[in-house]
Order: sequence, then structure tokens, then C-alpha cells
Amino acid sequence: QKEVEQDPGPLSVPEGAIVSLNCTYSNSAFQYFMWYRQYSRKGPELLMYTYSSGNKEDGRFTAQVDKSSKYISLFIRDSQPSDSATYLCASHTGGFKTIFGAGTRLFVKA
Amino acid sequence: DTEVTQTPKHLVMGMTNKKSLKCEQHMGHRAMYWYKQKAKKPPELMFVYSYEKLSINESVPSRFSPECPNSSLLNLHLHALQPEDSALYLCASSQGLRDRSHEQYFGPGTRLTVT
Repeated sequence: QKEVEQDPGPLSVPEGAIVSLNCTYSNSAFQYFMWYRQYSRKGPELLMYTYSSGNKEDGRFTAQVDKSSKYISLFIRDSQPSDSATYLCASHTGGFKTIFGAGTRLFVKA
Repeated sequence: DTEVTQTPKHLVMGMTNKKSLKCEQHMGHRAMYWYKQKAKKPPELMFVYSYEKLSINESVPSRFSPECPNSSLLNLHLHALQPEDSALYLCASSQGLRDRSHEQYFGPGTRLTVT
């Protein structure tokens, strides 16, 4: 079993839709939960991170962590074609080793 | 400046060649990372340097040799690579403390092809 599981998609939505991206994890020691966005042929870019459980909002993006169910979510409101990318969830226990999910490819159609 | 730069952008090398990848950051970060990413796969950690000392080596074959000459620079020396080593090599940096490693800044990567 992978420590972080993520459906690779692809996920295709119309412009303006609310996008829900999800991951599950198995390591109870994970403390930090991150979402990275990666455009084709580019390096990942940190979107948001959350420490422990709870919600965090930044503009159109909301990250949620539910440690009781080991569930990580990213919501994108009013999705735009420019949001088309691969979204990687990731986590670590407080050390240097970050574990990434497989990444979900998102396509937002104009 | 939140930029991590990597050179070269593309590299094609034969299995007998020796080449080096270079990474640079000027954010004052004291942790630097090398990742390998195959197509449609997540990044896989290879090495971590913390305060210029090798902190993590994820059992990477010795044909990959990292070097951290100073706090801003990270090199990856390549020798006798195999075609399966063809991938996107990503460099990242973060503040030097372990519990700040969730804020990693990635470079654009070097796309390596081994022929």
C-alpha cells in the first residue's frame, strides 16, 4: 500500500465548475499536508500547506485535512482553463522526506 | 526572489559520458534536494542536503553523485548512466529546518535523455 494514494484521473470539467481533488494516506505520523501544482514540462509549485487537521483558504483554493479519516482534499472554485495542470498531494512527518501522491491531471475546458 | 534555477534545461548523453547538472538558489535556504521524475509519475526523492551536509540518500546508485559546494549551489554528477535513467531531474530548496521542509521551491528541471 502506498503511503499517499491519489487518483491519477484525468479529470475534465467545464470552466467555472467547482473542482474537488482528493487523497488518502496511511501514515498516522504525517503532520504536514501539501498541494503542489505542476504544469506540463515544469517543476511543481507549492499551492498550499496545512498543519494537522483543518481547513485553509487562499483565494479560489481551499485545502482540507481530516486526520480521523486520513483524507486530504483540495477544492478549486470558479475553475479556469489556466488551472489545467497536474495536482500533487504530498505529506511528511516533520522530516525532510516528502511523500507525493501520484498526481491528478485536471483539464478545465473553456 | 523565490526562484530556483537549473542548468542545462535539456541534456542528451551517451552511456559512457560524464556530465553534471547544476542547481542554484538565492533565497537563503539551507536545505536542497534532488528528485527524479518519470513521465506521469510523482517526483521521487534522491538526495537531501541540509547545511551543506548530505542528510538523505535514498539508496541511489553510485552513478549519481551529488555535491553541495556551498549553501546556494547543488550539483549532480552523472557517470555511466543507463537508458532507464532518462527522466526529468528536479532540484528543490527549503529552509534548513526539518519541520520547514513542507515549503519546497522547485526549479524547472533538467530533462535528461540517455542514449
